[in-house]
Amino acid sequence: EAGVTQSPTHLIKTRGQQATLRCSPISGHTSVYWYQQALGLGLQFLLWYDEGEERNRGNFPPRFSGRQFPNYSSELNVNALELEDSALYLCASSFDSGTGGTEAFFGQGTRLTVV
Amino acid sequence: SQQGEEDPQALSIQEGENATMNCSYKTSINNLQWYRQNSGRGLVHLILIRSNEREKHSGRLRVTLDTSKKSSSLLITASRAADTASYFCATDGAFGGRRALTFGSGTRLQVQP
Repeated sequence: EAGVTQSPTHLIKTRGQQATLRCSPISGHTSVYWYQQALGLGLQFLLWYDEGEERNRGNFPPRFSGRQFPNYSSELNVNALELEDSALYLCASSFDSGTGGTEAFFGQGTRLTVV
Repeated sequence: SQQGEEDPQALSIQEGENATMNCSYKTSINNLQWYRQNSGRGLVHLILIRSNEREKHSGRLRVTLDTSKKSSSLLITASRAADTASYFCATDGAFGGRRALTFGSGTRLQVQP
């Protein structure tokens, strides 16, 4: 069974540009989480999508946005890139059984570098 | 602010010793999970403990949960050099009526051979 896949693996953009990151969850998983991990730091929660809808959002400016498609894959868009947006962006998927949650499965991340 | 906070931030031990990492959180949870991350890669799930459980074992891992103190600990026994990684706790709880999986800042474990 394929795990969570993220693309691209690496992305280099210049300041002011837009970046689009993609995530395919494990088959059958309806929830997708996005996290930002700056170098050497912990995971900062960005967005949570479930069943095609945004369920929760972290403390990030509106230029961070995303969506979830009918096949549960997801896209993270970062507009007007700033140097401090350089980080590893991790996507995770899970299946909410409704009985208290289940583990999240992570992709290998997209390393975004803004120059 | 982060829901879960681990301590210590960094831990260095010798192979064969036990490693203990702690996690504190602030609000009610459905469960608490521990994950491992090898240098800048994706996280791997280690163990999940539900809010009505107090202790759980998986191989060399032992997790405890004290909901009255809003804290958890992860014990790795007989550590190996391959255990070198960052370890994160994650709380699965409700925030404003909406669930989220929230991670702490992690403990960097270095096991010296």
